[in-house]
Amino acid sequence: QKEVEQDPGPLSVPEGAIVSLNCTYSNSAFQYFMWYRQYSRKGPELLMYTYSSGNKEDGRFTAQVDKSSKYISLFIRDSQPSDSATYLCGQNRDDKIIFGKGTRLHILP
Amino acid sequence: ETGVTQSPTHLIKTRGQQVTLRCSSQSGHNTVSWYQQALGQGPQFIFQYYREEENGRGNFPPRFSGLQFPNYSSELNVNALELDDSALYLCASSRGGLAGRETQYFGPGTRLLVL
Repeated sequence: QKEVEQDPGPLSVPEGAIVSLNCTYSNSAFQYFMWYRQYSRKGPELLMYTYSSGNKEDGRFTAQVDKSSKYISLFIRDSQPSDSATYLCGQNRDDKIIFGKGTRLHILP
Repeated sequence: ETGVTQSPTHLIKTRGQQVTLRCSSQSGHNTVSWYQQALGQGPQFIFQYYREEENGRGNFPPRFSGLQFPNYSSELNVNALELDDSALYLCASSRGGLAGRETQYFGPGTRLLVL
């Protein structure tokens, strides 16, 4: 089993919809998670980070961690065409980030 | 505050050659991590430098080596290039000192093509 699993997509949704992006992780010893957004041919840009369980909100973005199911989620409200990118989830393991494969998201105008 | 910068942006090499990639960390950061991102994949951890010392290494062969300088900038060296080394190489910097809770900020990457 891969350490951090993420559906690669692509995921296409209409503009204005709520987007739900998800990852699962296998190692519960490390509870620091982050979401990065990566545009084509660019470096990853930090969106949000969370520690342990619960929700964290920043503008249109909400990050959620469910320790019981080893599930991390990113929700995007009022999605915009500029949100079209690849979204990477990561788990910090002793300062080494284990990434999922990334989910390609397309917001259709 | 200056972000993470990397050079060069693109590079083409032939199999067997050697390459050096450079990274300048974000202001106030003393830790640099290097990642390899193959097409369609997430970044894979290569190694990390903290205050000029290697501080963790991923599953990469010894022909991948690095350095960190007193100003916390860093180099990634790859010897005996193979076709599979073609990838986007990413550098990330962080403040250091919060083991397991560091947030890493990435540069734009160097795209390496090995022919």
